[in-house]
Amino acid sequence: QQQVKQSPQSLIVQKGGIPIINCAYENTAFDYFPWYQQFPGKGPALLIAIRPDVSEKKEGRFTISFNKSAKQFSLHIMDSQPGDSATYFCAAGRGFQKLVFGTGTRLLVSP
Amino acid sequence: DAGVIQSPRHEVTEMGQEVTLRCKPISGHDYLFWYRQTMMRGLELLIYFNNNVPIDDSGMPEDRFSAKMPNASFSTLKIQPSEPRDSAVYFCASSSTRGGRREQYFGPGTRLTVT
Repeated sequence: QQQVKQSPQSLIVQKGGIPIINCAYENTAFDYFPWYQQFPGKGPALLIAIRPDVSEKKEGRFTISFNKSAKQFSLHIMDSQPGDSATYFCAAGRGFQKLVFGTGTRLLVSP
Repeated sequence: DAGVIQSPRHEVTEMGQEVTLRCKPISGHDYLFWYRQTMMRGLELLIYFNNNVPIDDSGMPEDRFSAKMPNASFSTLKIQPSEPRDSAVYFCASSSTRGGRREQYFGPGTRLTVT
């Protein structure tokens, strides 16, 4: 119940494409769903986060879509750039307690 | 703000030796988290503290691992004795409940290699 399942494990898109990363959770008590971006040799950094009372949130080229009934959420990157090449982690949390992280998606945006 | 500070950045040690990893959270943050990242297991939460008190240590692999937070500005993760399977990148993160934000700010990590 504490797991967050993330797919795909890796993704290659061309510049300008729209990579989509999906996550699914079981625990309906989760009320916070962030996405973290990690570059090689760096720690993860918060990219965007959503709460279950909204179905979509956009920040720049990054969009989270949230489906509460299906217990799924996804990250879309519009007009992807080579600089977006990184590993992306979804996560889920309840209150101020610990986050449960997905297994990560390695994204490569080719020029 | 300097962000979360971790030391050392790299540590190479021999099996059986004691290893101590250090973390200075962002000033004013009341939560501190220790994570371990490997290719096989991804990002695992080891332990977290709230106001210097350990809240959940269920992710600590075994008794060889221990963590302390003697004050709001310092925490250590100790491995004694170390084993090759402990080789990983260890991250410290901190967050603040002020303003209702839940963002965790990660440090740069300590890459541990046990030979």
